Amino acid sequence: KAGVTQTPRYLIKTRGQQVTLSCSPISGHRSVSWYQQTPGQGLQFLFEYFSETQRNKGNFPGRFSGRQFSNSRSEMNVSTLELGDSALYLCASRLGLNTYEQYFGPGTRLTVT
Amino acid sequence: AQSVTQLGSHVSVSEGALVLLRCNYSSSVPPYLFWYVQYPNQGLQLLLKYTTGATLVKGINGFEAEFKKSETSFHLTKPSAHMSDAAEYFCAVSESYYGNNRLAFGKGNQVVVIP
Repeated sequence: KAGVTQTPRYLIKTRGQQVTLSCSPISGHRSVSWYQQTPGQGLQFLFEYFSETQRNKGNFPGRFSGRQFSNSRSEMNVSTLELGDSALYLCASRLGLNTYEQYFGPGTRLTVT
Repeated sequence: AQSVTQLGSHVSVSEGALVLLRCNYSSSVPPYLFWYVQYPNQGLQLLLKYTTGATLVKGINGFEAEFKKSETSFHLTKPSAHMSDAAEYFCAVSESYYGNNRLAFGKGNQVVVIP
């Protein structure tokens, strides 16, 4: 079974632009979560989606948003990029609301210049 | 809110020696605990998990961890380090409320294996 896939793997954007990252969960998994990883702040939870609904949200500004489609694929969007948004963005999927282990994709490395 | 403490950002271990990575957690409800490993330029790979039941859990690549409620700890061990164990290791805790399951991670341990 294929793992979690994320596209693109690398991205360079300019401050003020917006960006959309994509995540395809493991087949059959219905929950998708997003995390941001930076050297300074470590791994931080962004949000989780299940059945196209946002179930939980971390402490990030409204510039960070996401959505989930009927096939469980998810996208996250960051508007008005700031230098501090440079990070590895990781997507994780789990089977459903009553399963607890999350499986991570390889991440998208975003660099904001 | 739950939290995780991992002490010692860099851990050096000789090849063949014991690997011990410490993890202490804080949680207001019975926790679910995880160890993940991250190799350079890759995502996180699940090593092992504790949800309920047996407190000594075995994972992949010869790693194991023991849940000690009285010490709020979930330390990771491997009897004999291998060069391929060089990576970053993260302990994580989650609290599941009504199916919401965010993970809180420790700062990580960068493991260096000395030949």
